[in-house]
Amino acid sequence: DAKTTQPTSMDCAEGRAANLPCNHSTISGNEYVYWYRQIHSQGPQYIIHGLKNNETNEMASLIITEDRKSSTLILPHATLRDTAVYYCIVSNFGNEKLTFGTGTRLTIIP
Amino acid sequence: GAVVSQHPSWVICKSGTSVKIECRSLDFQATTMFWYRQFPKQSLMLMATSNEGSKATYEQGVEKDKFLINHASLTLSTLTVTSAHPEDSSFYICSATRTLQSQYGYTFGSGTRLTVV
Repeated sequence: DAKTTQPTSMDCAEGRAANLPCNHSTISGNEYVYWYRQIHSQGPQYIIHGLKNNETNEMASLIITEDRKSSTLILPHATLRDTAVYYCIVSNFGNEKLTFGTGTRLTIIP
Repeated sequence: GAVVSQHPSWVICKSGTSVKIECRSLDFQATTMFWYRQFPKQSLMLMATSNEGSKATYEQGVEKDKFLINHASLTLSTLTVTSAHPEDSSFYICSATRTLQSQYGYTFGSGTRLTVV
Protein backbone atom coordinates (compact mmCIF):
# COMPACT_ATOMS: atom_id res chain seq x y z
CA ASP A 1 0.00 0.00 0.00
CA ALA A 2 1.14 3.52 -0.69
CA LYS A 3 2.25 5.55 2.32
CA THR A 4 0.35 8.65 3.41
CA THR A 5 1.51 11.72 5.28
CA GLN A 6 -0.82 13.79 7.43
CA PRO A 7 -0.29 16.59 9.93
CA THR A 8 -0.23 15.30 13.48
CA SER A 9 -2.86 17.67 14.77
CA MET A 10 -5.15 20.51 13.74
CA ASP A 11 -7.63 22.82 15.41
CA CYS A 12 -10.74 24.25 13.83
CA ALA A 13 -13.36 26.64 15.16
CA GLU A 14 -16.86 25.27 15.54
CA GLY A 15 -19.03 26.13 12.56
CA ARG A 16 -16.10 26.67 10.23
CA ALA A 17 -14.94 24.34 7.50
CA ALA A 18 -12.24 21.88 8.53
CA ASN A 19 -9.76 21.09 5.77
CA LEU A 20 -7.59 18.07 6.42
CA PRO A 21 -4.72 17.48 3.98
CA CYS A 22 -3.12 14.19 3.04
CA ASN A 23 -0.11 13.48 0.86
CA HIS A 24 0.08 10.17 -1.01
CA SER A 25 2.70 10.80 -3.65
CA THR A 26 3.38 7.10 -4.30
CA ILE A 27 -0.24 6.18 -4.97
CA SER A 28 -0.70 3.77 -7.85
CA GLY A 29 -3.34 3.97 -10.56
CA ASN A 30 -5.72 1.43 -9.06
CA GLU A 31 -5.54 2.60 -5.46
CA TYR A 32 -8.42 4.44 -3.84
CA VAL A 33 -8.12 7.17 -1.21
CA TYR A 34 -10.13 6.36 1.92
CA TRP A 35 -10.89 8.58 4.87
CA TYR A 36 -11.92 7.23 8.24
CA ARG A 37 -12.20 8.84 11.64
CA GLN A 38 -11.96 7.42 15.11
CA ILE A 39 -13.64 9.00 18.06
CA HIS A 40 -12.09 8.07 21.37
CA SER A 41 -12.56 4.41 22.33
CA GLN A 42 -14.67 3.58 19.29
CA GLY A 43 -14.04 1.73 16.07
CA PRO A 44 -13.12 3.76 12.98
CA GLN A 45 -16.00 5.28 11.08
CA TYR A 46 -16.03 5.42 7.30
CA ILE A 47 -16.30 8.94 5.94
CA ILE A 48 -15.69 8.92 2.21
CA HIS A 49 -13.49 7.46 -0.48
CA GLY A 50 -12.57 8.23 -4.08
CA LEU A 51 -10.38 7.21 -6.99
CA LYS A 52 -9.72 10.35 -8.99
CA ASN A 53 -12.86 12.45 -9.09
CA ASN A 54 -13.94 14.70 -6.26
CA GLU A 55 -16.59 13.13 -4.08
CA THR A 56 -19.23 14.49 -1.74
CA ASN A 57 -21.60 12.82 0.67
CA GLU A 58 -23.64 13.84 3.67
CA MET A 59 -20.58 13.88 5.91
CA ALA A 60 -17.82 15.46 3.88
CA SER A 61 -16.22 16.30 0.57
CA LEU A 62 -13.07 14.77 -0.82
CA ILE A 63 -10.90 16.77 -3.16
CA ILE A 64 -8.23 14.79 -5.02
CA THR A 65 -5.59 16.62 -7.02
CA GLU A 66 -5.34 15.89 -10.72
CA ASP A 67 -2.05 14.03 -10.28
CA ARG A 68 -3.63 12.12 -7.36
CA LYS A 69 -0.60 12.76 -5.18
CA SER A 70 -2.58 14.52 -2.49
CA SER A 71 -6.12 15.01 -1.27
CA THR A 72 -8.11 17.13 1.16
CA LEU A 73 -11.01 16.08 3.30
CA ILE A 74 -13.44 18.91 3.94
CA LEU A 75 -15.93 18.95 6.80
CA PRO A 76 -18.07 21.91 5.73
CA HIS A 77 -19.46 23.00 9.09
CA ALA A 78 -17.48 21.44 11.90
CA THR A 79 -19.21 20.63 15.17
CA LEU A 80 -17.78 19.55 18.51
CA ARG A 81 -18.74 15.97 17.66
CA ASP A 82 -16.27 16.04 14.78
CA THR A 83 -13.38 16.01 17.24
CA ALA A 84 -11.57 12.79 16.38
CA VAL A 85 -8.48 11.28 14.78
CA TYR A 86 -8.83 11.32 11.00
CA TYR A 87 -7.03 8.71 8.94
CA CYS A 88 -6.22 8.98 5.24
CA ILE A 89 -5.49 5.58 3.70
CA VAL A 90 -4.76 4.48 0.16
CA SER A 91 -5.51 0.93 -0.91
CA ASN A 92 -6.78 -1.24 -3.71
CA PHE A 93 -10.43 -1.99 -3.15
CA GLY A 94 -11.66 -5.47 -2.39
CA ASN A 95 -9.92 -7.82 -0.02
CA GLU A 96 -6.93 -5.54 0.28
CA LYS A 97 -6.06 -4.76 3.88
CA LEU A 98 -6.17 -1.21 5.19
CA THR A 99 -2.98 0.00 6.81
CA PHE A 100 -3.43 2.88 9.23
CA GLY A 101 -0.89 5.64 9.69
CA THR A 102 -0.81 8.01 12.62
CA GLY A 103 -3.65 10.20 11.35
CA THR A 104 -4.55 13.80 12.20
CA ARG A 105 -6.02 14.60 15.58
CA LEU A 106 -8.66 17.23 14.81
CA THR A 107 -9.94 19.30 17.70
CA ILE A 108 -13.01 21.45 17.19
CA ILE A 109 -12.89 24.50 19.40
CA PRO A 110 -16.10 26.09 20.71
CA GLY B 1 -25.88 0.52 5.44
CA ALA B 2 -23.29 -2.06 6.35
CA VAL B 3 -23.17 -2.87 10.06
CA VAL B 4 -20.55 -4.85 11.91
CA SER B 5 -21.28 -5.94 15.45
CA GLN B 6 -18.46 -6.77 17.83
CA HIS B 7 -18.95 -8.52 21.16
CA PRO B 8 -18.15 -8.07 23.95
CA SER B 9 -17.44 -4.35 24.08
CA TRP B 10 -15.21 -4.86 27.09
CA VAL B 11 -13.87 -7.80 29.06
CA ILE B 12 -11.68 -8.30 32.09
CA CYS B 13 -10.00 -11.65 32.49
CA LYS B 14 -7.42 -13.27 34.70
CA SER B 15 -3.93 -13.91 33.46
CA GLY B 16 -3.63 -17.34 31.86
CA THR B 17 -7.23 -17.60 30.72
CA SER B 18 -8.56 -17.35 27.17
CA VAL B 19 -10.95 -14.78 25.79
CA LYS B 20 -13.08 -14.99 22.65
CA ILE B 21 -14.16 -11.92 20.72
CA GLU B 22 -16.88 -12.15 18.08
CA CYS B 23 -17.26 -10.05 14.96
CA ARG B 24 -20.49 -10.30 12.97
CA SER B 25 -21.58 -8.64 9.76
CA LEU B 26 -25.27 -8.03 10.35
CA ASP B 27 -26.65 -7.10 6.96
CA PHE B 28 -24.10 -8.30 4.45
CA GLN B 29 -21.87 -11.23 3.70
CA ALA B 30 -18.26 -10.56 4.51
CA THR B 31 -15.84 -12.69 2.57
CA THR B 32 -12.94 -11.02 4.34
CA MET B 33 -12.58 -9.77 7.89
CA PHE B 34 -9.62 -8.05 9.46
CA TRP B 35 -8.48 -7.93 13.08
CA TYR B 36 -6.64 -4.94 14.49
CA ARG B 37 -5.11 -4.11 17.84
CA GLN B 38 -4.70 -0.61 19.22
CA PHE B 39 -2.63 0.40 22.23
CA PRO B 40 -3.29 3.71 24.01
CA LYS B 41 -2.39 6.80 22.00
CA GLN B 42 -1.31 4.65 19.05
CA SER B 43 -2.78 3.87 15.66
CA LEU B 44 -4.50 0.65 14.67
CA MET B 45 -2.15 -2.21 13.91
CA LEU B 46 -3.34 -4.98 11.64
CA MET B 47 -3.00 -8.40 13.25
CA ALA B 48 -4.49 -10.73 10.66
CA THR B 49 -6.70 -11.10 7.63
CA SER B 50 -9.45 -13.69 7.84
CA ASN B 51 -11.09 -15.25 4.79
CA GLU B 52 -14.21 -17.38 5.10
CA GLY B 53 -13.43 -21.06 5.01
CA SER B 54 -9.66 -20.74 4.99
CA LYS B 55 -6.83 -20.13 7.41
CA ALA B 56 -6.13 -16.60 8.50
CA THR B 57 -3.10 -14.71 7.28
CA TYR B 58 -1.16 -13.18 10.14
CA GLU B 59 1.00 -10.09 10.01
CA GLN B 60 4.66 -10.37 10.85
CA GLY B 61 5.25 -10.58 14.57
CA VAL B 62 1.74 -11.75 15.46
CA GLU B 63 1.69 -15.19 17.09
CA LYS B 64 -0.89 -17.32 15.31
CA ASP B 65 -1.01 -19.85 18.15
CA LYS B 66 -1.78 -17.13 20.65
CA PHE B 67 -4.36 -15.24 18.60
CA LEU B 68 -6.64 -17.87 17.10
CA ILE B 69 -8.89 -16.66 14.33
CA ASN B 70 -11.84 -18.57 12.96
CA HIS B 71 -13.99 -17.41 10.05
CA ALA B 72 -16.45 -20.24 9.73
CA SER B 73 -19.23 -18.37 7.97
CA LEU B 74 -19.74 -15.32 5.80
CA THR B 75 -21.11 -13.36 8.74
CA LEU B 76 -18.95 -14.40 11.69
CA SER B 77 -15.28 -14.27 12.58
CA THR B 78 -13.88 -14.88 16.04
CA LEU B 79 -10.60 -13.94 17.67
CA THR B 80 -9.51 -15.97 20.67
CA VAL B 81 -6.70 -14.62 22.82
CA THR B 82 -5.24 -17.73 24.41
CA SER B 83 -3.40 -17.74 27.73
CA ALA B 84 -3.82 -14.01 28.02
CA HIS B 85 -1.23 -11.93 29.85
CA PRO B 86 -1.31 -8.29 30.99
CA GLU B 87 0.66 -7.23 27.92
CA ASP B 88 -2.24 -8.47 25.77
CA SER B 89 -4.43 -5.78 27.30
CA SER B 90 -5.48 -3.63 24.38
CA PHE B 91 -8.36 -2.42 22.21
CA TYR B 92 -9.21 -5.06 19.60
CA ILE B 93 -11.16 -4.02 16.52
CA CYS B 94 -12.54 -6.03 13.64
CA SER B 95 -13.37 -4.88 10.15
CA ALA B 96 -15.32 -6.50 7.35
CA THR B 97 -15.66 -5.92 3.66
CA ARG B 98 -17.87 -7.16 0.93
CA THR B 99 -16.17 -7.43 -2.35
CA LEU B 100 -17.16 -5.90 -5.64
CA GLN B 101 -19.25 -3.15 -4.03
CA SER B 102 -16.91 -0.19 -3.80
CA GLN B 103 -19.49 2.20 -2.44
CA TYR B 104 -19.36 0.59 0.99
CA GLY B 105 -15.68 0.56 1.76
CA TYR B 106 -14.66 -1.27 4.89
CA THR B 107 -16.90 -1.35 7.96
CA PHE B 108 -15.47 -1.54 11.46
CA GLY B 109 -16.86 -2.95 14.66
CA SER B 110 -17.08 -0.82 17.79
CA GLY B 111 -14.09 -2.55 19.35
CA THR B 112 -13.42 -4.71 22.40
CA ARG B 113 -11.38 -3.41 25.29
CA LEU B 114 -9.53 -6.31 26.86
CA THR B 115 -7.97 -5.93 30.29
CA VAL B 116 -5.92 -8.82 31.63
CA VAL B 117 -5.30 -8.74 35.37
